[in-house]
Amino acid sequence: GQQVMQIPQYQHVQEGEDFTTYCNSSTTLSNIQWYKQRPGGHPVFLIQLVKSGEVKKQKRLTFQFGEAKKNSSLHITATQTTDVGTYFCAGPSSNTGKLIFGQGTTLQVKP
Amino acid sequence: KAGVTQTPRYLIKTRGQQVTLSCSPISGHRSVSWYQQTPGQGLQFLFEYFSETQRNKGNFPGRFSGRQFSNSRSEMNVSTLELGDSALYLCASSKEPTGLTYEQYFGPGTRLTVT
Repeated sequence: GQQVMQIPQYQHVQEGEDFTTYCNSSTTLSNIQWYKQRPGGHPVFLIQLVKSGEVKKQKRLTFQFGEAKKNSSLHITATQTTDVGTYFCAGPSSNTGKLIFGQGTTLQVKP
Repeated sequence: KAGVTQTPRYLIKTRGQQVTLSCSPISGHRSVSWYQQTPGQGLQFLFEYFSETQRNKGNFPGRFSGRQFSNSRSEMNVSTLELGDSALYLCASSKEPTGLTYEQYFGPGTRLTVT
C-alpha cells in the first residue's frame, strides 16, 4: 500500500543549528501537510503545500514540495528550544483520500 | 471558535472491558477522523466519518468501531480491550473529507490505559 516515510526518526541539535526533516511518498501526492506535536501535546497543523516545486516560509521554517510531488522537506534555521517536538508530514491516499502520516521526526534542541 | 474536544481525557480500563470515546469537532466541520498513537507505531489511522457515513477505515480489527451523529459529533468504541490497546486516541476534524485540501485540527486526545 501507499507509504509515507520520514527521515531521520530522531535529531538532536545544539540551539542555533539548522535542522531538516525529509518526507518521501511511494506515490504522487495531490498535496502534503505538515504538523508539529509538542511533547505531551497533540498534532497542530503547520502548513499545506499543493503545487509542484512549491516553497513556503513561516519565519524560520521553510517547507518545500518536490517537483514530482513525491517528496517534501521542512528546514528550520537557527533552531530554538521552542522548536522541540515531533514533526509529521501527511498526504492523502491516491485511492481512498485518507490522510497517511509519516512516522515523524523528533527534534531535541540542547540550549 | 472552540477547538476539537475529546472526552474523557484519561481512562483506565481492565482487559476484556469495552470503552467509548467521544469527540466534538469544530463547529462547521463535517469530517471526523480517529487515530491511535503509540510510541512505537506513530499515528495510525482508525477511521474517518463524513456526514454520518464511514468514509475510510484503517487496518484495525473489528473490535474498533465508530459512528458519527447528525451534529457531526463522533464516538469510537473498543470492545474486549487488550493490553495492546493502551494508547493515545486522537480525534481530528476538518471542513471536508481529508482527500481534499483541508487541514485537520486535532483534539487533545484520550489517554487509554488497559491493565
